Amino acid sequence: KQEVTQIPAALSVPEGENLVLNCSFTDSAIYNLQWFRQDPGKGLTSLLLIQSSQREQTSGRLNASLDKSSGRSTLYIAASQPGDSATYLCAVKTGANNLFFGTGTRLTVIP
Amino acid sequence: DAGVIQSPRHEVTEMGQEVTLRCKPISGHDYLFWYRQTMMRGLELLIYFNNNVPIDDSGMPEDRFSAKMPNASFSTLKIQPSEPRDSAVYFCASSHTGTIYEQYFGPGTRLTVT
Repeated sequence: KQEVTQIPAALSVPEGENLVLNCSFTDSAIYNLQWFRQDPGKGLTSLLLIQSSQREQTSGRLNASLDKSSGRSTLYIAASQPGDSATYLCAVKTGANNLFFGTGTRLTVIP
Repeated sequence: DAGVIQSPRHEVTEMGQEVTLRCKPISGHDYLFWYRQTMMRGLELLIYFNNNVPIDDSGMPEDRFSAKMPNASFSTLKIQPSEPRDSAVYFCASSHTGTIYEQYFGPGTRLTVT
């Protein structure tokens, strides 16, 4: 069974800093990898989706990379802002149309 | 589009009662997913439908849980009888095969069983 791990579990940074969130998965046979943001008490918002044939995707200050062979993905956030404070989840899609989620990284950006 | 709609947003019930959670997917989406999120286990897929047909229910924890999708715009997740360990946030998500399988999530239903 696919297992997804996210490190660190929590991260606190001062505003303006660049940061990297890590995601690793055990089975490299994936269709895609998706990064989500979850605010307290809210649902999940999709940030970026990387197909298995792609190496990275960018959206504004966010850049996600994928190294399928090593089972790793990173989410890079540039010039962090207090509004970026949330829990960030990565999820990998397998052929069974199932999304396997990591346990998330809780990010706090201090003004 | 209003996105995925779930109701109720919060549900508090006593152990042994029947609970029904509702979901309206995004119009035109042909996949619908039910997830459960707890502190201990994170987000787990319970069941998913394609064109209103259940495809994989291997994540449904036990026979107390059942899900239906009578039409393309409505699905229910029922727990009968409910137990305190069912307390969690239940999410519904939908996606469309014509896109890149990106899943869109509803706001969730926070269930508390006392």
